[in-house]
Amino acid sequence: KQEVTQIPAALSVPEGENLVLNCSFTDSAIYNLQWFRQDPGKGLTSLLLIQSSQREQTSGRLNASLDKSSGRSTLYIAASQPGDSATYLCAEGTGGGNKLTFGTGTQLKVEL
Amino acid sequence: NAGVMQNPRHLVRRRGQEARLRCSPMKGHSHVYWYRQLPEEGLKFMVYLQKENIIDESGMPKERFSAEFPKEGPSILRIQQVVRGDSAAYFCASSPPGLEGPKNIQYFGAGTRLSVL
Repeated sequence: KQEVTQIPAALSVPEGENLVLNCSFTDSAIYNLQWFRQDPGKGLTSLLLIQSSQREQTSGRLNASLDKSSGRSTLYIAASQPGDSATYLCAEGTGGGNKLTFGTGTQLKVEL
Repeated sequence: NAGVMQNPRHLVRRRGQEARLRCSPMKGHSHVYWYRQLPEEGLKFMVYLQKENIIDESGMPKERFSAEFPKEGPSILRIQQVVRGDSAAYFCASSPPGLEGPKNIQYFGAGTRLSVL
């Protein structure tokens, strides 16, 4: 059974801090790993996609890594801002990459 | 290029009624996915469709739920005889052809929040 776990479940940091969100998965037949943010009452915004053959991806202040051997991915957010406050979800792509298995998310709050 | 459009955004039904949720994929996208987010739970895959074909329905409940993606028009998720346990946010995602496998990136709509009274 595929399982995706995210730690911590919630995180509160002061503005400007660098932070790391963790994601672990059990299915070794991974095609990709995708990170999303979800704002309250809203849909999901795709942040980064890491293909199974890649080790990391970067977009602006975000950097995501993938370690298939240990079944882990991390999302690094540099110089956090209040606008980064949201729930961050990681999702493992399996079933030919067509089926995403989601973690339960990390609720991030960046305080002034 | 408009994003994935879902309607309605909110839907209220009484027990026993039918719910129809619509999803228009992004322009040029031929793959559609439905996910459900129950209260206090993570998103769960339901079904993956391409035009006129159901490719993977391994996450669909065995009864009362069906999905279609016709040649013309939006994808429809249909829930017959709704029960309170169907109350959830239903999200649709789409992806373009030619980006299968590891490159498959799914773009999500804002969701339909179904409340069953």
